[in-house]
Amino acid sequence: DSGVTQTPKHLITATGQRVTLRCSPRSGDLSVYWYQQSLDQGLQFLIQYYNGEERAKGNILERFSAQQFPDLHSELNLSSLELGDSALYFCASSEGLAGVPTQYFGPGTRLTVL
Amino acid sequence: QQQVKQSPQSLIVQKGGISIINCAYENTAFDYFPWYQQFPGKGPALLIAIRPDVSEKKEGRFTISFNKSAKQFSLHIMDSQPGDSATYFCAASDRSGSARQLTFGSGTQLTVLP
Repeated sequence: DSGVTQTPKHLITATGQRVTLRCSPRSGDLSVYWYQQSLDQGLQFLIQYYNGEERAKGNILERFSAQQFPDLHSELNLSSLELGDSALYFCASSEGLAGVPTQYFGPGTRLTVL
Repeated sequence: QQQVKQSPQSLIVQKGGISIINCAYENTAFDYFPWYQQFPGKGPALLIAIRPDVSEKKEGRFTISFNKSAKQFSLHIMDSQPGDSATYFCAASDRSGSARQLTFGSGTQLTVLP
């Protein structure tokens, strides 16, 4: 158990809909990262937050957005969903910017768009 | 642009054999190289990591070999066991400005036959 929690575990929705994925980082970790894992793309970095502020963006679509709240949990919002958005979405956390760069991954949310 | 190239895509070894997975990178700013192990339906879990100031790191049956001049690193699994069957990802991290990101290889699916 990495200490990172993600909800829900599974999510099934229809095209055009909007969903929110939630992540709680390990106790004490200030950085949160979101990744998308699909069969043909591997692990793709989406976005990073540090102590409530956006720090880095990867291959995140404009239809996707994220935020980190004062209690450090994070939410990833996916809107206008398309079939191709079906994937595993992982959240990871780490100590911070200057500490050991190890990222600890949560169990993931499996999103299925029908 | 794929910054970390991983090979092979899949690997089958006999129980007790040595599994070797290779990665190559281009970005000389990378300063932390972790390997993650992922079982089906689970999040990636940190297996072992190395900094570029050492050429080898060993933890139990797992060894990272690092060649800075060639910009290559590899994971060796000695005495491979069926329980090692999983997908392995190499990764590399650099400090881009004030943020830290992980760039992942494409993954290697390891199967250890009993």
